[in-house]
Amino acid sequence: SQTIHQWPATLVQPVGSPLSLECTVEGTSNPNLYWYRQAAGRGLQLLFYSVGIGQISSEVPQNLSASRPQDRQFILSSKKLLLSDSGFYLCAWWSMGAHQETQYFGPGTRLLVL
Amino acid sequence: AQSVSQHNHHVILSEAASLELGCNYSYGGTVNLFWYVQYPGQHLQLLLKYFSGDPLVKGIKGFEAEFIKSKFSFNLRKPSVQWSDTAEYFCAVNARGGYNKLIFGAGTRLAVHP
Repeated sequence: SQTIHQWPATLVQPVGSPLSLECTVEGTSNPNLYWYRQAAGRGLQLLFYSVGIGQISSEVPQNLSASRPQDRQFILSSKKLLLSDSGFYLCAWWSMGAHQETQYFGPGTRLLVL
Repeated sequence: AQSVSQHNHHVILSEAASLELGCNYSYGGTVNLFWYVQYPGQHLQLLLKYFSGDPLVKGIKGFEAEFIKSKFSFNLRKPSVQWSDTAEYFCAVNARGGYNKLIFGAGTRLAVHP
């Protein structure tokens, strides 16, 4: 079965520090991968998606970047964090199996920028 | 641009009460529709989905949703809620042909009191 991992689970970082959040998927190949952010009182906002290695599409202009160095690895980064980057970051992948077309979400990373 | 509106941000019910959470989307084309649920401390998980066919969709744990195309709505219902239904509920739409990206509503926090 497929599994999605995210780490770290929780992170407290000072303003101006770098960021690297990792997401890995097991049990599937060539998945579509997504990064979402859930800010307090708001829904999930799509930040980036990737349909293959090295292919990244950005949905909103922001202080973050994403990379996909391997088929099942998706990384969210920042060179200098802002206070507004605080939130709950979710990685997801899309399953294209018969009658299973849906996105599966990881456990998330809670980021607090101070 | 696509958007999803969930009109109720916080709902408080007693056990055995009936539930209806509103969801409206803005998109003129063909859409796939989803309801996700996030129980306290757990992953975001799929509750039910609509792709085509019968507009009344049944999901897990006794939930159902009705797609009304003329009203651009996909409301979630449950005849009798339980304390264990306490969670945050998210409505989402996916425009076909758009790399399976999901557009989420802001979410509704449901608290069920025993």
